Amino acid sequence: KAGVTQTPRYLIKTRGQQVTLSCSPISGHRSVSWYQQTPGQGLQFLFEYFSETQRNKGNFPGRFSGRQFSNSRSEMNVSTLELGDSALYLCASRWVSGRSDGEQFFGPGTRLTVL
Amino acid sequence: AQSVTQPDIHITVSEGASLELRCNYSYGATPYLFWYVQSPGQGLQLLLKYFSGDTLVQGIKGFEAEFKRSQSSFNLRKPSVHWSDAAEYFCAVVRGGSQGNLIFGKGTKLSVKP
Repeated sequence: KAGVTQTPRYLIKTRGQQVTLSCSPISGHRSVSWYQQTPGQGLQFLFEYFSETQRNKGNFPGRFSGRQFSNSRSEMNVSTLELGDSALYLCASRWVSGRSDGEQFFGPGTRLTVL
Repeated sequence: AQSVTQPDIHITVSEGASLELRCNYSYGATPYLFWYVQSPGQGLQLLLKYFSGDTLVQGIKGFEAEFKRSQSSFNLRKPSVHWSDAAEYFCAVVRGGSQGNLIFGKGTKLSVKP
């Protein structure tokens, strides 16, 4: 079974631009979560999507948004990029059913550099 | 508020020596706890998890962790470290009942001396 894939793996943008990152979950996984990893703040939860609906949201400004498609693929968008948005963005997927759910499996991440 | 603390930022051990990485959590109810490992340039790999039951949990790669409610700890151990274990280790707790929403500690970087 293929793992979680994220594209692109590396991105360089300039301040003020916007960026879209993509995540394809493991087949059968309907939940996708996004995390931001920086040296200063560590790993921070951005949001979780399940069946095309945002389930949870972390404490990030509205410039950070996401969506999930009917095939469970997810995208996150950051508008008006700031230098502090430079980070590794990790996507994780998990299996969820009505009675139980599973742990998260992480992708390799997208390294975003804002100049 | 829930939180996870990993007191050691960086640990160096000799190959073959035993290892213990510390993790303390703050959570009102019984927590769901995880240990993940991250190699350079890679995503996170789940080592083990604790939900309930036996407080000593076995994971992959020879790792184990012990949940101690009285100490609010979930320390990771390995009896004999291999050079390939050099990586960063993260302890995490579920927030709000959803395994899709984890609070992570700041991580402990493990270096292994030959």
